[in-house]
Amino acid sequence: AQSVTQPDIHITVSEGASLELRCNYSYGATPYLFWYVQSPGQGLQLLLKYFSGDTLVQGIKGFEAEFKRSQSSFNLRKPSVHWSDAAEYFCAVGNTGGFKTIFGAGTRLFVKA
Amino acid sequence: DSGVTQTPKHLITATGQRVTLRCSPRSGDLSVYWYQQSLDQGLQFLIQYYNGEERAKGNILERFSAQQFPDLHSELNLSSLELGDSALYFCASSADRGGTEAFFGQGTRLTVV
Repeated sequence: AQSVTQPDIHITVSEGASLELRCNYSYGATPYLFWYVQSPGQGLQLLLKYFSGDTLVQGIKGFEAEFKRSQSSFNLRKPSVHWSDAAEYFCAVGNTGGFKTIFGAGTRLFVKA
Repeated sequence: DSGVTQTPKHLITATGQRVTLRCSPRSGDLSVYWYQQSLDQGLQFLIQYYNGEERAKGNILERFSAQQFPDLHSELNLSSLELGDSALYFCASSADRGGTEAFFGQGTRLTVV
């Protein structure tokens, strides 16, 4: 069955520290992978996506993610977190056969001064 | 601003009632997707329309229906409402039928009392 697991419900990091949010997926075919961010009271904004090619993808706001097929993972990273990065982050997997994208449960990021 | 407009932003209604949520996609986008976000179920894909036709169906209840009109706006109709239908309902749009990059609206928060 297709699924997305985000093992960490919430994470707290200090401002300026590095960040890694974990995502593991189970998908029968070659997955299309996404990371979205949701600020309070807002919709989801696409940070980055992976379809094929270079397994290290760059996104907006200084985020990057690395696709590791052998580990079925697509972890999101940022070298230095800003207070404005506090939000909920969703990993998602899908394909182009229709947007039956499956979302993970989300990881809420808290940033402390 | 994603360019996707959802109305109303908030809706409070009683059990057994029927409501209609409206979505205007980004200019030029042909695909519209509906999602339900609740605390217990997370973000669930409901249905997708592409250029007026239903393209993909997810976990949409029979009490719910949607349509996409010739001007590409979409409506999600929820009937015989139950307390458990209280959630945030998101609309997203994309230019293609595969949802390779979807843009989310800010959502409609539905409260059933």
